[in-house]
Amino acid sequence: AQSVTQLDSHVSVSEGTPVLLRCNYSSSYSPSLFWYVQHPNKGLQLLLKYTSAATLVKGINGFEAEFKKSETSFHLTKPSAHMSDAAEYFCVVSLGAGGFKTIFGAGTRLFVKA
Amino acid sequence: EAGVAQSPRYKIIEKRQSVAFWCNPISGHATLYWYQQILGQGPKLLIQFQNNGVVDDSQLPKDRFSAERLKGVDSTLKIQPAKLEDSAVYLCASSPIRGGPGNEQFFGPGTRLTVL
Repeated sequence: AQSVTQLDSHVSVSEGTPVLLRCNYSSSYSPSLFWYVQHPNKGLQLLLKYTSAATLVKGINGFEAEFKKSETSFHLTKPSAHMSDAAEYFCVVSLGAGGFKTIFGAGTRLFVKA
Repeated sequence: EAGVAQSPRYKIIEKRQSVAFWCNPISGHATLYWYQQILGQGPKLLIQFQNNGVVDDSQLPKDRFSAERLKGVDSTLKIQPAKLEDSAVYLCASSPIRGGPGNEQFFGPGTRLTVL
């Protein structure tokens, strides 16, 4: 069975401090992995994606994620949080072998304190 | 480039009534997805179309939900009859060429459904 687990439902950081949002996945096949962000009253937007190329993936707005196969993880990081980063973040797995089933994690709400 | 369009943006109905949502994907995008996002949860894939054929509808409650994509462009999602637990945001997304792994999905603003 395929699944994706976001280990924290809420994360709170101070502006200027690092951000870490954790994601673990389970897949029988080589997955594609994504992080999407959802700002209040706005649509889902792609932050970054991993598709079996470089394991360290850089995305928009200074975010990056590292694919670690041995740990089945794809954690999202940012060196310095900004107030505008406050949003809901979703880790997503998309599967190969013809299925292409897209599974979203439950989401992590990021709060950024001034 | 115009984004994914959805209508209506909001809908309030009573249980046992019927409702339909419409989606117009980005021009040229072959793959179209419908998701259900219940408050506090991540989106759940209901159905995926490749052009006008269904690729995956394994999580679509077929006793009450139906979807079609005529001519491989616009799509409608219908609920008949609605239940209280159908209250959610219904998201439409599209992706170019083949909806395989690694293809970014572009999301519409969603339709917020409230069932009373």
